[in-house]
Formats: sequence, structure tokens, C-alpha cells
Amino acid sequence: TQLLEQSPQFLSIQEGENLTVYCNSSSVFSSLQWYRQEPGEGPVLLVTVVTGGEVKKLKRLTFQFGDARKDSSLHITAAQPGDTGLYLCAGRLGNAGNMLTFGGGTRLMVKP
Amino acid sequence: DAGVIQSPRHEVTEMGQEVTLRCKPISGHNSLFWYRQTMMRGLELLIYFNNNVPIDDSGMPEDRFSAKMPNASFSTLKIQPSEPRDSAVYFCASSLVGGRNTQYFGPGTRLTVL
Repeated sequence: TQLLEQSPQFLSIQEGENLTVYCNSSSVFSSLQWYRQEPGEGPVLLVTVVTGGEVKKLKRLTFQFGDARKDSSLHITAAQPGDTGLYLCAGRLGNAGNMLTFGGGTRLMVKP
Repeated sequence: DAGVIQSPRHEVTEMGQEVTLRCKPISGHNSLFWYRQTMMRGLELLIYFNNNVPIDDSGMPEDRFSAKMPNASFSTLKIQPSEPRDSAVYFCASSLVGGRNTQYFGPGTRLTVL
């Protein structure tokens, strides 16, 4: 069992649809990040959230940190084929220095 | 500014051979991380260094794996002897202690052990 559980693991949708990806834990994180990884490349940071209840928007992507800082969600509006990739959440525990704990990832495919 | 550089990008070797993966972190970063990624297990942290000192190596699978960071601009991950189950993509990432803990990943080394 991973410390950060992501759901769903796989998601295949049509262009234009909306979707939400979840990242859940029983542990409290001092901050949480979302990364996107495209085939053949390393993960790239999308956003960092640090305050319980915080909401950040990045164009069509909306990120929320849970009030208790144990969970997070990523919502994509009107998905496009360019959104295809592996989405990873990563949390920093309070006593973990600058080490991050990664979730298992959500593999998203957006079909034209 | 150059990102994290890893070499080689692809490595195919036979079981029992020694494999050395190399990483050059972003200049000025003082933390370096080695990860392994597979479909089954996802992204796993193997070891990380702060200021060239290994801090946590609890993710290193077994004694066949070793990592070094002789200076701030270079690190190696060695597997000796390699086994087919070591086949994976190995990523190096670097970050700046005290920042937002953003990790900057290299492009990875795809290792295939036959």
C-alpha cells in the first residue's frame, strides 16, 4: 500500500470531456505537488499547494488541497489530446526534509 | 540553463554485467535523488543526497546497488551484477534545499537487462 493513493489508475476519455483525478492519504503533508510526465521524459512540475483548502488554477487545470492537507484533486476542463500523460501527485511530510513521496500515478489518454 | 543531464539514455546489457548510470544535476542545486520507475511499482525513490552526503538509502533494493556523489556536479548509480528484474527507467532529479522542494528530473536512462 502506497502512502499516497491515486485514483483512477487509468483514464481514457474523448476530447472535450471533463475529468477529476484524486490523491488521497491518511498522513498530513506540509505541501503537495502535481507533476505530469510524457512518454520518454521525466516528470515536470505543474503546481505546488501548501495551505489546507488552497485552490490553484493553471489554464484548464484546477488543483485543490484538502482542508486537512491529507488529500488533493486535479480537475481538467475540456480535456485536449495534449493533456495525455501520466499525472503524479507528490507530498512532503513534515519530518522528511526535502524528500517527496510520490503516488502511483494516473495515466490519462485523451482521444481526438 | 541546462537541466538535469543523464547518461546513457538507453542501456542494454546482459545479466551479470556491471551497469553504471550517470547524472549531472542542475548547477547550484544541493539535493540529488535517484528513482526507478516501472509499470508495476511506479516511481520509487532509491536514494537521495544533500550536499553530496547520502541521507536516505532505504529504497536501495539490495547490495547490488550502490550510489556515489563525489562532488556537487556528478553522481553515479551502479548495479553489479545486474539482473533482468533491474530492467526499468532510472531517473535522477535535483532540487534546492529550502525552496518549494520542486524536483527537476532528467530524461531518464532506460535499462534493459537480458
